[in-house]
Amino acid sequence: EVQLVESGGGLVQPGRSLKLSCAASGLTFRNFYMAWVRQAPTKGLEWVAYISTGGGSTYYRDSVKGRFTISRDNAKSTLYLQMDSLRSEDTATYYCTTFYNRNYFDYWGQGVMVTVSS
Amino acid sequence: DTVLTQSPALAVSPGERITISCRASENVNTRLHWYQQKPGQQPQLLIYGASNLESGVPARFSGSGSGTDFTLTIDPVEADDSATYFCQQNWNDPWTFGGGTKLGLK
Repeated sequence: EVQLVESGGGLVQPGRSLKLSCAASGLTFRNFYMAWVRQAPTKGLEWVAYISTGGGSTYYRDSVKGRFTISRDNAKSTLYLQMDSLRSEDTATYYCTTFYNRNYFDYWGQGVMVTVSS
Repeated sequence: DTVLTQSPALAVSPGERITISCRASENVNTRLHWYQQKPGQQPQLLIYGASNLESGVPARFSGSGSGTDFTLTIDPVEADDSATYFCQQNWNDPWTFGGGTKLGLK
């Protein structure tokens, strides 16, 4: 059974940093594109970033470019999202997902909440 | 960005047939996918490539469409189908989601 378990969320002040982690099991992690998708409270879904299987290619939505960094450690089967210069509009539940051939998000973690507030 | 428009809410009785629509502001070919999200849970992939049923998803779910108009059909609806349904496209950059359709049961 595929499991994606996020951690690292919490309450942070605007302008500060936070790093999310996602531990994967039940799949050959190094063979999967991975992504982060977020959902603001009572809002819809929004793709944030994705990373290629080897980590050499990354892609971000415009609103997080230059502030967020996606990375992975295939030896540890773990995905990361470093979030710097956080803003109130980054407040959301962040989901770690597999990203099948950069088409659709087939496996999802349970999500981790990030709240940016003073 | 490609905007995906969905009806905000629908209500249906168990045993009936329901269609949920997703209209794209520009062509997305068949790169349109559907997800189900129950309260307090993560989304789950139902349909990929407009009409392909994800493994393990009941055959009561089906999808159709291409270009700009797509539908998700549930037939027959069961009580467990009460959820919010999102469409998502990956033909145009950036990939976008619809606002979701909340399906309630009468």
